[in-house]
Amino acid sequence: AQRVTQPEKLLSVFKGAPVELKCNYSYSGSPELFWYVQYSRQRLQLLLRHISRESIKGFTADLNKGETSFHLKKPFAQEEDSAMYYCALSGRNAGNMLTFGGGTRLMVKP
Amino acid sequence: GAVVSQHPSWVICKSGTSVKIECRSLDFQATTMFWYRQFPKQSLMLMATSNEGSKATYEQGVEKDKFLINHASLTLSTLTVTSAHPEDSSFYICSAGAGEINREQFFGPGTRLTVL
Repeated sequence: AQRVTQPEKLLSVFKGAPVELKCNYSYSGSPELFWYVQYSRQRLQLLLRHISRESIKGFTADLNKGETSFHLKKPFAQEEDSAMYYCALSGRNAGNMLTFGGGTRLMVKP
Repeated sequence: GAVVSQHPSWVICKSGTSVKIECRSLDFQATTMFWYRQFPKQSLMLMATSNEGSKATYEQGVEKDKFLINHASLTLSTLTVTSAHPEDSSFYICSAGAGEINREQFFGPGTRLTVL
């Protein structure tokens, strides 16, 4: 069974502060991990995926297989980063099916 | 990028009626589409996986006779909520898979269903 856990429902930081949104997963094989973001009144959209090793909007995430984690980080938060963030896992034997974490609401205060 | 649309975006219906929600991939072919349900302030819960030309695969606890899914073409999947009741009121979101190699999913804007 695959499971994704985001321990924080809400994360509130001041503008310019570092941000880390935690994500832990459980999967027996080799997963593919994603971060999706949902801005207010907008659809869910892909932020980044671990295989591309990109930095999108200043966010990075490293897959740590030893700790089964895929935490999302940004060194300096901006007000426009305020949104819901979902960590998701796709198992190689599950087609394209995604398992989502519970989501973390990030609030960046001015 | 790939675009997925949903129609309608918002629907209000009386208890006992059936409601059909359409999900279309506008500029790509999607062999697999997914239907999610999202309650207020909660995460997305996968309801079913829809494969073109075959029966949908439902997640545990989802009534397949209540939530009828049809994936008639590579660009269209429909979800019909039959004999809707107030507890079916929710936000329904579809997504389309980009393929086996690229496992990204593209999400529709969602449909808000309110059953009176």
